[in-house]
Amino acid sequence: AQTVTQSQPEMSVQEAETVTLSCTYDTSENNYYLFWYKQPPSRQMILVIRQEAYKQQNATENRFSVNFQKAAKSFSLKISDSQLGDTAMYFCAFMKRGSGSRLTFGEGTQLTVNP
Amino acid sequence: GAVVSQHPSRVICKSGTSVKIECRSLDFQATTMFWYRQFPKKSLMLMATSNEGSKATYEQGVEKDKFLINHASLTLSTLTVTSAHPEDSSFYICSARDRASGRVDTQYFGPGTRLTVL
Repeated sequence: AQTVTQSQPEMSVQEAETVTLSCTYDTSENNYYLFWYKQPPSRQMILVIRQEAYKQQNATENRFSVNFQKAAKSFSLKISDSQLGDTAMYFCAFMKRGSGSRLTFGEGTQLTVNP
Repeated sequence: GAVVSQHPSRVICKSGTSVKIECRSLDFQATTMFWYRQFPKKSLMLMATSNEGSKATYEQGVEKDKFLINHASLTLSTLTVTSAHPEDSSFYICSARDRASGRVDTQYFGPGTRLTVL
């Protein structure tokens, strides 16, 4: 079974600064996807960024980028130029390819962006 | 596009009653839908995978007689909490996979339903 670990229950950052959220995972699989989801106070889950394990290049979406270290099984999220709207719970998630799209989530990191 | 709705958004019921939660894909067909449960300040736990026209697949530890799932059409899945008790109070979230997109890695999430059992 796969496990996803987020070791930072809470983090805070000043507006316009950069913050990095950590995620590690454990799997014996070689083909999988990794995700970061955002859950703001509205509780609506929003996909922030996705990474396919076979791609060595780190995914980037505007101010969001990841540092994917496959050998270390690490998948951190960097948020640049933090905005107040980035305040949310962030979940790291794992999906084994061919698993019927089942997602395994980490415990989450509550990020607060301070003005 | 790719909107998933849930109804109701909030429900309060008495202990012993049954509650039905609907999950609809509004602008796409979903052969597969997923039901999650989330406790306050906790992560999402997958309860079951719902496939259109077939029986749901439940995760270990989830009582299938307690949480009845029906996926009768390509745009609707329902979760019925039978004989609800206060410990069933939680936030229930559904997600759906777009049949046409071919993207097996993409799930679209509903806004969730808060269930409170008195």
